[in-house]
Amino acid sequence: AQKVTQAQTEISVVEKEDVTLDCVYETRDTTYYLFWYKQPPSGELVFLIRRNSFDEQNEISGRYSWNFQKSTSSFNFTITASQVVDSAVYFCALSEAGIKAAGNKLTFGGGTRVLVKP
Amino acid sequence: EAQVTQNPRYLITVTGKKLTVTCSQNMNHEYMSWYRQDPGLGLRQIYYSMNVEVTDKGDVPEGYKVSRKEKRNFPLILESPSPNQTSLYFCASSLPAGAMGSQYFGPGTRLTVL
Repeated sequence: AQKVTQAQTEISVVEKEDVTLDCVYETRDTTYYLFWYKQPPSGELVFLIRRNSFDEQNEISGRYSWNFQKSTSSFNFTITASQVVDSAVYFCALSEAGIKAAGNKLTFGGGTRVLVKP
Repeated sequence: EAQVTQNPRYLITVTGKKLTVTCSQNMNHEYMSWYRQDPGLGLRQIYYSMNVEVTDKGDVPEGYKVSRKEKRNFPLILESPSPNQTSLYFCASSLPAGAMGSQYFGPGTRLTVL
């Protein structure tokens, strides 16, 4: 069975500090997909990134960057120079491919609340 | 505009009073799912549908029903709600292109069962 663990429940930083969110996953599939979502206080889920299991290239998008390491089953997310608007709950999620995908089911971690103080 | 809509957005009800949360998408997606979100547990899939008249249980289906009579609609039915179903509910839709198809989430429905 697939599982996603976000060990940090809450992180508090001061604006302009960098913050790294950890995500560790478990799956028996060789092909799978990893995601990060942001949930601001308004409650909606905002898609941030999708990564395929066969693509271990790290990715940078503005102040966001992701470090995917299959060897340690981790998919960590870093916010550089954090801003107050980054305050939200961030979820890591995993989806398996193929017939077991259960309608593209996403298995979510428990989420990490990030609080950025001015 | 491509979107998933849910209604109602907020609902307070009492134990045992049947309710339906509607979900509709305008992207002609085959796949639709319902998730519930609870503190510390992330989101968990309740039911999913891979096409019209094709539905199956997710991880936490007890106490819920769904139907998929039309491609665009996927209502979630609570026949006899209980307080442990107090939660934030999300509907999602996607194309069947494996997980490459992005999941589009609705805005959420916050349900309180007294």
